[in-house]
Amino acid sequence: AQTVTQSQPEMSVQEAETVTLSCTYDTSESDYYLFWYKQPPSRQMILVIRQEAYKQQNATENRFSVNFQKAAKSFSLKISDSQLGDAAMYFCAYRSANNNDMRFGAGTRLTVKP
Amino acid sequence: DGGITQSPKYLFRKEGQNVTLSCEQNLNHDAMYWYRQDPGQGLRLIYYSQIVNDFQKGDIAEGYSVSREKKESFPLTVTSAQKNPTAFYLCASSINSPHSGETQYFGPGTRLLVL
Repeated sequence: AQTVTQSQPEMSVQEAETVTLSCTYDTSESDYYLFWYKQPPSRQMILVIRQEAYKQQNATENRFSVNFQKAAKSFSLKISDSQLGDAAMYFCAYRSANNNDMRFGAGTRLTVKP
Repeated sequence: DGGITQSPKYLFRKEGQNVTLSCEQNLNHDAMYWYRQDPGQGLRLIYYSQIVNDFQKGDIAEGYSVSREKKESFPLTVTSAQKNPTAFYLCASSINSPHSGETQYFGPGTRLLVL
């Protein structure tokens, strides 16, 4: 079974600076999808960014971008110009292209310092 | 407004009692999911349903049951067999098409506590 590992339980960043959250995964599949979700104190899970494994180009959504290294099975999230509202738990997730099975990492708690 | 609603926001269960968590979506999504979230952990899949009247067990289905009689609704029952039900429960839905990798959209969650 696929596993997702987030090795940083907690991270902090100064407002307006850049932070990178790490994620690695284990799979034998070649076709899959990767996601970063944000969970603020309200606990609502919000999609941040999505990457298709067959695309070499890294996904970008405004201040959020990923560094997808397929061979290394690494999928890190970079947040630029960090804002106070970025403070949340961030979850990395893997989804097989062949079924609806979604696997989540344990999460990284991001604190943004003013 | 399209979205996923879960009710109640908080639910208290007594010993030996079955309780049902509601999940409704008006996104016209075929697939729906139930996850459990414990402190310090990611989400774990309880059950999922790809179409009406069909559902499959996830990783931690023991002590839970579901039904999918309508496309819009996927209620989760926490039975008395679930010995440690205290957790945060999240419902999600997605378009169900092969090889789609479609994003799962989540409801606001239900916090279940045992009295």
